[in-house]
Amino acid sequence: EPEVTQTPSHQVTQMGQEVILRCVPISNHLYFYWYRQILGQKVEFLVSFYNNEISEKSEIFDDQFSVERPDGSNFTLKIRSTKLEDSAMYFCASRQVISGETQYFGPGTRLLVL
Amino acid sequence: AQKVTQAQTEISVVEKEDVTLDCVYETRDTTYYLFWYKQPPSGELVFLIRRNSFDEQNEISGRYSWNFQKSTSSFNFTITASQVVDSAVYFCALTRNSGNTPLVFGKGTRLSVIA
Repeated sequence: EPEVTQTPSHQVTQMGQEVILRCVPISNHLYFYWYRQILGQKVEFLVSFYNNEISEKSEIFDDQFSVERPDGSNFTLKIRSTKLEDSAMYFCASRQVISGETQYFGPGTRLLVL
Repeated sequence: AQKVTQAQTEISVVEKEDVTLDCVYETRDTTYYLFWYKQPPSGELVFLIRRNSFDEQNEISGRYSWNFQKSTSSFNFTITASQVVDSAVYFCALTRNSGNTPLVFGKGTRLSVIA
């Protein structure tokens, strides 16, 4: 069964460093998302992406964040200069075109900023 | 604005008991979708069910059942004869039926099933 994959599973970085989180969505999906979950809290939307552009972004997704689909399979989230409060689990999700269709989530990348 | 409320923060049950997880939502949209996801201790988010706002039929899948009541804006989830493997955080979520809209999640309910 196709699934969303994410790498790395864990990343530890120093404050101020850039990190790139990678995702490979399900192959026939066209809508892509990033969400974040601070430890013990709810899952929060960051950004949605379709047709090589951002569809919607939340207040969390400020200028430090960017997304890219550099090729036909990868979908990346870059944090330019990490802060302590960026420590969280980052989930990538994808879905098919039809509105309301289920978003399938990757296993997440646990980011720790020291 | 859309909102999902899961008032139960934590629930503990003994194995084989039935347990119901509550979800109440707010939306101004006439068409929308509701979801339940399971987050086991390993951390991934596992899709359980999707329900659209036009379909108020209850659904049963094995030991899991869902009760959608539009009149009370609730989409409750019942696990019958709970097992230790059901221990997880369960999230209810809502999305609009248009475009590339994100999921709005509740805060989750942590279920502990004790042997």
